[in-house]
Amino acid sequence: QVTLRESGPALVKPTETLTLTCIFSGFSLSTTGMCVSWVRQPPGKALEWLALIDWDDDKYYSTSLKTRLTISKGTSENQVVLTMTNMDPVDTATYYCERMRGRGYSLSGGYMDAWGKGTTVTVSS
Amino acid sequence: DILMTQSPSSLSASVGDRVTITCRASQSISTSLNWYQQKPGTAPKLLIYSASTLQSGVPSRFSGSVSGTDFTLTISGLQPEDFATYYCQQSYNLPRTFGHGTKVEIK
Repeated sequence: QVTLRESGPALVKPTETLTLTCIFSGFSLSTTGMCVSWVRQPPGKALEWLALIDWDDDKYYSTSLKTRLTISKGTSENQVVLTMTNMDPVDTATYYCERMRGRGYSLSGGYMDAWGKGTTVTVSS
Repeated sequence: DILMTQSPSSLSASVGDRVTITCRASQSISTSLNWYQQKPGTAPKLLIYSASTLQSGVPSRFSGSVSGTDFTLTISGLQPEDFATYYCQQSYNLPRTFGHGTKVEIK
């Protein structure tokens, strides 16, 4: 059974750096085709894709946020960390991590088949 | 980035109705299109991948199709548990992009 769980601060101040951790089980990020990605959702708004790290440690980012985002493997082999710098109230959202399955060696055609429950982050002074 | 234009933004339907949601990609994405369902306060759930492949455990009343850059999610015989918001997402390239969602409400 695949599970993912997000953790991090519920409240951050403007200009601070947000660090979120995704702890997962039921799969290995070392397996070809396996990836972990992050998606966020501001209150009442649509889903926004943020970042992805693949089995080969390649990293991909949202075009509009790439200067502020860093995705990396954590200290344990079942962890992925997302950092976002210079937080602003518009970054208030629920942040989800997901398993994304690629199609063999290709990321094209992949899909997010398991999601964490999400963690809500509020940016306010 | 590939722009995904989803319509309608919301619709009202009755139990038993056939519902159609469309998503148009700004460029060719082959069949690299996924559909997700999200209920209030919960994480999205994968319904369909590769435009028309039903995820395991998803009822067969859900189906997907493609014509060029136009993708369609159809719910044949809407059930009470289907009232939710539906999102399309292109998986052709990175960065991934989502449509803005379609909220299916009870008439």
